[in-house]
Amino acid sequence: AAGVIQSPRHLIKEKRETATLKCYPIPRHDTVYWYQQGPGQDPQFLISFYEKMQSDKGSIPDRFSAQQFSDYHSELNMSSLELGDSALYFCASSLERSGELFFGEGSRLTVL
Amino acid sequence: AQSVTQLGSHVSVSEGALVLLRCNYSSSVPPYLFWYVQYPNQGLQLLLKYTTGATLVKGINGFEAEFKKSETSFHLTKPSAHMSDAAEYFCAVWGGGSNYKLTFGKGTLLTVNP
Repeated sequence: AAGVIQSPRHLIKEKRETATLKCYPIPRHDTVYWYQQGPGQDPQFLISFYEKMQSDKGSIPDRFSAQQFSDYHSELNMSSLELGDSALYFCASSLERSGELFFGEGSRLTVL
Repeated sequence: AQSVTQLGSHVSVSEGALVLLRCNYSSSVPPYLFWYVQYPNQGLQLLLKYTTGATLVKGINGFEAEFKKSETSFHLTKPSAHMSDAAEYFCAVWGGGSNYKLTFGKGTLLTVNP
């Protein structure tokens, strides 16, 4: 069965650079969620989209933005990167905000 | 607001022993509860979920959990631990109402000793 696809899987950036993470949800899923997991931490909710509109917003820094496109894929844009942004970024998708989230393998961002 | 408390950041058991990972939740609405497992450098895999109905839910890899409303608990158990069970386990609660997000506990690292 098709799963949530995230790209890139690994990304290395310098401080103050920008990065873009992409997420392709399971076919027919209309809701996408972004989570950030720091080393040894639990996943923290950043933001979600339902039917291409922002649904909920969590602890997402102002330097970050995200959107969901017409084909339901989503992109997380991160600017002015800081060392503390180094983390594993998960995308998850669900059908109609049902509560059953399917997670991708994550994108590991390292900021040097 | 919904929240989850996992008791014990690290649990160590012997192979073949009972696994018990504790989770208590706080929710203003009837909760949807989940357990996820994360192996090193991997994503989050759903073990099991409780939404409505039967309070004892069975998941993959021999795990099960029981929803106890009176105790606001959703503890994860497995009768006999296997070496391959060593991983990080996260309990999570779904927002519900107009709060459409999953909130995770801090996680419990399970170590299985031979």
